[in-house]
Amino acid sequence: GAGVSQSPSNKVTEKGKDVELRCDPISGHTALYWYRQSLGQGLEFLIYFQGNSAPDKSGLPSDRFSAERTGGSVSTLTIQRTQQEDSAVYLCASSSSGQGGSNYGYTFGSGTRLTVV
Amino acid sequence: AQKVTQAQTEISVVEKEDVTLDCVYETRDTTYYLFWYKQPPSGELVFLIRRNSFDEQNEISGRYSWNFQKSTSSFNFTITASQVVDSAVYFCALAGGGNKLTFGTGTQLKVEL
Repeated sequence: GAGVSQSPSNKVTEKGKDVELRCDPISGHTALYWYRQSLGQGLEFLIYFQGNSAPDKSGLPSDRFSAERTGGSVSTLTIQRTQQEDSAVYLCASSSSGQGGSNYGYTFGSGTRLTVV
Repeated sequence: AQKVTQAQTEISVVEKEDVTLDCVYETRDTTYYLFWYKQPPSGELVFLIRRNSFDEQNEISGRYSWNFQKSTSSFNFTITASQVVDSAVYFCALAGGGNKLTFGTGTQLKVEL
């Protein structure tokens, strides 16, 4: 696609429910990243994929968070038993190469705004 | 570990003033990349620039310019003749050997008439 697509754009869920967030990267981009941005805060790294493997999962805040990427393309971030502190914008980015991305950096999607009530 | 520090939380200027956003980084990698992104009120992250650690040449793009100094581990961003449309949060970021892009906490720039 022309850009990084994330769905849904907004998600309101009840505390304790599971949610799945989807990221469709730019076609051909091998690297994919998930970040979280809480209100008024910076971007917190969650996980990095190179192809289907995840060499760096160090940012996942707890075992309630997991992510997978299949076929080297679409990625799903799953949050189980959601808590109110999970409320944030979840951003996905992709790039065509490894370290440093391309000359155009990393391309970010518009994010999924998750609200846990 | 890598770290990016943007000490300025918020800056307010009057239109047409010049403004410099500071960025200081820490990394043990010899090869790394530095970035600036803009996040307007709409929320999307807009890529502005990427520099690699071997290229210390300053860069100018229209009203934007960047000063990269390895000696002080800084990568500062200057907007000349600021405009209201420049109002946004600006993030500095670093990608080291582990491919992870580490962001600073951002600087909120407000440009007023």
